[in-house]
Amino acid sequence: QVQLVQSGAEVKKPGASVKVSCTASGYTFTRYAIHWVRQASGQRPEWMGWINVGNGNTKYSEKFQGRVTITRDTAANIGHMELTSLTSEDTAVYYCVRDFEHCTGGSCLGYWGQGTLVTVSS
Amino acid sequence: DIQMTQSPSTLSASVGDRVTITCRASQSLSRWLAWYQQKPGKAPNLLIYKVSSLRSGVPSRFSGSGSETEFTLTISSLQPDDFATYYCQQFNSYPWTFGQGTKVELK
Repeated sequence: QVQLVQSGAEVKKPGASVKVSCTASGYTFTRYAIHWVRQASGQRPEWMGWINVGNGNTKYSEKFQGRVTITRDTAANIGHMELTSLTSEDTAVYYCVRDFEHCTGGSCLGYWGQGTLVTVSS
Repeated sequence: DIQMTQSPSTLSASVGDRVTITCRASQSLSRWLAWYQQKPGKAPNLLIYKVSSLRSGVPSRFSGSGSETEFTLTISSLQPDDFATYYCQQFNSYPWTFGQGTKVELK
């Protein structure tokens, strides 16, 4: 079965960077896009961007453009999301999410990792 | 960005009730709308995609409908496992955006 296992919780100081990892199993890694979505406590989810795992192409939300980098390691079946210049507003749970196979013609968020809490505090 | 607005924000209901949640988009979405269920401390779970397609394994009491800018999620007979927060999400244009959520709580 499809599984996405994320790296552990992080505590960062303002101005620092964080890199969250997502290890995929149970399917052909290069076949489906990986998205990153974050959710602050009590707030709605917020889509950050995605990567075409097959060719490495990325698309980012303009809100995070310049601060976020999504990459993948196809040899290890791992996706990464790095966010720089952190502020307290970036405190949230970060999720990696795989495309749902039946959203043909589009893309929707079918398989979610367990989430990684990133806390930004001085 | 496309704004997604759900109503109500909180819904109090009893087991067996028919429940309807509305999601309105600030512009037409064609069929690129999904619904998710989220329980405390867990990731959202995809229930319905492309407006009305039920994900395999999701109980048939869940259904979705709508078009253009107005969509609904209906639970035909609320069960104890259904008390949760529900989000709509558009994937018509970037950035993908979510509604603010509807919390379904026990009356």
